[in-house]
Amino acid sequence: DMKVTQMPRYLIKRMGENVLLECGQDMSHETMYWYRQDPGLGLQLIYISYDVDSNSEGDIPKGYRVSRKKREHFSLILDSAKTNQTSVYFCASSYERSGNTLYFGEGSRLIVV
Amino acid sequence: TQTVSQSDAHVTVFEGDSVELRCNYSYGGSIYLSWYIQHHGHGLQFLLKYYSGNPVVQGVNGFEAEFSKSDSSFHLRKASVHWSDSAVYFCAVRGNSNNRIFFGDGTQLVVKP
Repeated sequence: DMKVTQMPRYLIKRMGENVLLECGQDMSHETMYWYRQDPGLGLQLIYISYDVDSNSEGDIPKGYRVSRKKREHFSLILDSAKTNQTSVYFCASSYERSGNTLYFGEGSRLIVV
Repeated sequence: TQTVSQSDAHVTVFEGDSVELRCNYSYGGSIYLSWYIQHHGHGLQFLLKYYSGNPVVQGVNGFEAEFSKSDSSFHLRKASVHWSDSAVYFCAVRGNSNNRIFFGDGTQLVVKP
């Protein structure tokens, strides 16, 4: 069963705390993504990972970092969360040869207070 | 730079009506075009894609899209909508040279009974 799993689904953190959002996929996809989705702003690419330890900044990487030590897992880390990082975060993966087909997780809703 | 434009933020139709959701793109090279659907509170799900060949592509649940190079468009259509088609629809474009995927801002489709 092709699946992208995100944990946790919901999270409330205080400003300045660290946040770890985890993403796993069972399809051995090479490429994985982290997006955030905010009302009126659509999907914004934070980071893209082409494989283990091969990560590139997306359009809004500031305040975020990522880790990919295994092909199946891609983590998004917020060191010292800020209130403007309140958002819904989506992880996605793609098999390069399939072109534009992304498989998305269900999202992680983060609230920073 | 690739851009994707979805001119209609909201579309409201009645069940059984036909619908067309518009997508225009700008990109100079070969591209992959696709549509995704997002039901409230969930991640995006792939609907259909186009890269080459027949400009009309069929997707799941009766959706189809037509590519037009002259109009730089990839509009999504459905002949008879159901209330369960109510969702946000995203058009996406990816250049052939990399894995960067750009999403439009989405079109909220409301299907009234």
